[in-house]
Amino acid sequence: DVKVTQSSRYLVKRTGEKVFLECVQDMDHENMFWYRQDPGLGLRLIYFSYDVKMKEKGDIPEGYSVSREKKERFSLILESASTNQTSMYLCASSMLGQPGGETQYFGPGTRLLVL
Amino acid sequence: DAKTTQPPSMDCAEGRAANLPCNHSTISGNEYVYWYRQIHSQGPQYIIHGLKNNETNEMASLIITEDRKSSTLILPHATLRDTAVYYCIVRANTGNQFYFGTGTSLTVIP
Repeated sequence: DVKVTQSSRYLVKRTGEKVFLECVQDMDHENMFWYRQDPGLGLRLIYFSYDVKMKEKGDIPEGYSVSREKKERFSLILESASTNQTSMYLCASSMLGQPGGETQYFGPGTRLLVL
Repeated sequence: DAKTTQPPSMDCAEGRAANLPCNHSTISGNEYVYWYRQIHSQGPQYIIHGLKNNETNEMASLIITEDRKSSTLILPHATLRDTAVYYCIVRANTGNQFYFGTGTSLTVIP
């Protein structure tokens, strides 16, 4: 079974703090994604990566950065957390060019509260 | 990616089959139908996907109409643990992201 893990289930931070969210997958997937989920807005893509050290902006990259130094690990960084970044953050991974469709597998999510 | 339409909510008695419909009338020939579910406060869980043929796995069955304009996810024997929001997503083979709509909130009743 594909396993995607996220470093924390719940996190409370203060405005202005630097926040690191870590995601690790164990299936040797090339693609990794960071989404945020807010009520009424569905999932929105923040950043994704097709390979080590590669990153692409999603729909809402402002206020975020990412790092992919190893294939299995994709980090989301909030440089200076703000209250409007309070959200559920979801990491996903998929196999590039998977026959039959690139299914994305999600982690359990990190619920971040910025005070 | 084509748009999908799902009923906002459904109930199902425990032990009965849950049939969740999805309309995707603008689906293109290379687009797959995916189903995910999300139990409260957890990440989305992949259930099943298909292109043209009906598919079955240990979790569910996916029935796609011949014209591919609609599909039905079937949970053969619903349990209380199947209470969740179910998302039907249409997507080409490769793409940057999955667009989750509002889904169907399924409540399994004892």
